[in-house]
Amino acid sequence: ELKVEQNPLFLSMQEGKNYTIYCNYSTTSDRLYWYRQDPGKSLESLFVLLSNGAVKQEGRLMASLDTKARLSTLHITAAVHDLSATYFCAVVTSTGNQFYFGTGTSLTVIP
Amino acid sequence: DVKVTQSSRYLVKRTGEKVFLECVQDMDHENMFWYRQDPGLGLRLIYFSYDVKMKEKGDIPEGYSVSREKKERFSLILESASTNQTSMYLCASCWGGQPQHFGDGTRLSIL
Repeated sequence: ELKVEQNPLFLSMQEGKNYTIYCNYSTTSDRLYWYRQDPGKSLESLFVLLSNGAVKQEGRLMASLDTKARLSTLHITAAVHDLSATYFCAVVTSTGNQFYFGTGTSLTVIP
Repeated sequence: DVKVTQSSRYLVKRTGEKVFLECVQDMDHENMFWYRQDPGLGLRLIYFSYDVKMKEKGDIPEGYSVSREKKERFSLILESASTNQTSMYLCASCWGGQPQHFGDGTRLSIL
């Protein structure tokens, strides 16, 4: 079974600061996804990373993938309150369509 | 725009009842999924389906079954509801390697 670990689980940061969320996974995968979930809402897709070295950026969020290290990062630049949410990474095995999710990182941006 | 619709946002049932959760997608997606989401545990896959009448067990299928008679509809069935099945249930669909699209979720309480 593929295991996906995120850290930190909880993150409280001040507006304007930078921080990184980490996503480690246990077996080979060539697809990694990042999702955002607002309180009481469902998950919304942010990024799809399909190859080693892939980097995607949208606004203040940048995601990268290192398939050799089995690691993805979600970097937050100059955080703003609107980024407060729970962020999930998810990995799909090379052999199938099953998605494995991390436990999520609950981000709170404080003014 | 992509739409995944879950039949109920909130549902209260009694122990021992048979419970049906319905999910409909309008995107002609091949793959559909049922997850449950619990605090600190992230999303756990219950069942998924990659075609009509096809189903695969996820990580926690015990106590659940599914039905996919039509491509657009994927039903989750709790055969005899128990209190430990109180949770948020999320349905998702996708095509191939694309990101999953999620419904709004059903918050199910078993009394």
